[in-house]
Amino acid sequence: SQQGEEDPQALSIQEGENATMNCSYKTSINNLQWYRQNSGRGLVHLILIRSNEREKHSGRLRVTLDTSKKSSSLLITASRAADTASYFCATDARGAQKLVFGQGTRLTINP
Amino acid sequence: GAGVSQSPRYKVAKRGQDVALRCDPISGHVSLFWYQQALGQGPEFLTYFQNEAQLDKSGLPSDRFFAERPEGSVSTLKIQRTQQEDSAVYLCASSLARTRSYEQYFGPGTRLTVT
Repeated sequence: SQQGEEDPQALSIQEGENATMNCSYKTSINNLQWYRQNSGRGLVHLILIRSNEREKHSGRLRVTLDTSKKSSSLLITASRAADTASYFCATDARGAQKLVFGQGTRLTINP
Repeated sequence: GAGVSQSPRYKVAKRGQDVALRCDPISGHVSLFWYQQALGQGPEFLTYFQNEAQLDKSGLPSDRFFAERPEGSVSTLKIQRTQQEDSAVYLCASSLARTRSYEQYFGPGTRLTVT
């Protein structure tokens, strides 16, 4: 069973627009990570935010974390066609090493 | 440097056959994880090694699934008497961390199809 839910399940936008994906989870966490997966490929780590952080930036990515609501968001600014992929949030519960993934958001960037 | 590699990339097995999936983690990475990803879903945890010790196997779906990492490096996931519901992509990941959570580096996966 999966930890949480991602919203929306699918998102289609025009190149240059911003894309926002949300993730909710159920248990207390050490940190939350976002991964990208291109079709038929492995997962690529994008960004990690610790439970005591509220916001983090990396290039065109901005991640927020609200532990009181058990939710996170990933913002991709100035989207490019190469950003087309599935995006997953993953959490690790306190005292555990394993990652628990959401079901993912399929992002399509239209040129 | 080299990332996590997995072999084979694709495997077709007839129901009832045994299969063995291999994972070569990044050199020096202490932690190794196996995940199962069904079509259209997120990965689900199967098992975790720290060096050669299997510390968590709570995600293995049945006793037909067995994993080992005898020398603390290469790992093998074995599935005995495969069933159709075993069809999925099997992902291996490794991590440098020993005691605190850290990013995991994933291999390309092995797509298993059971016919």
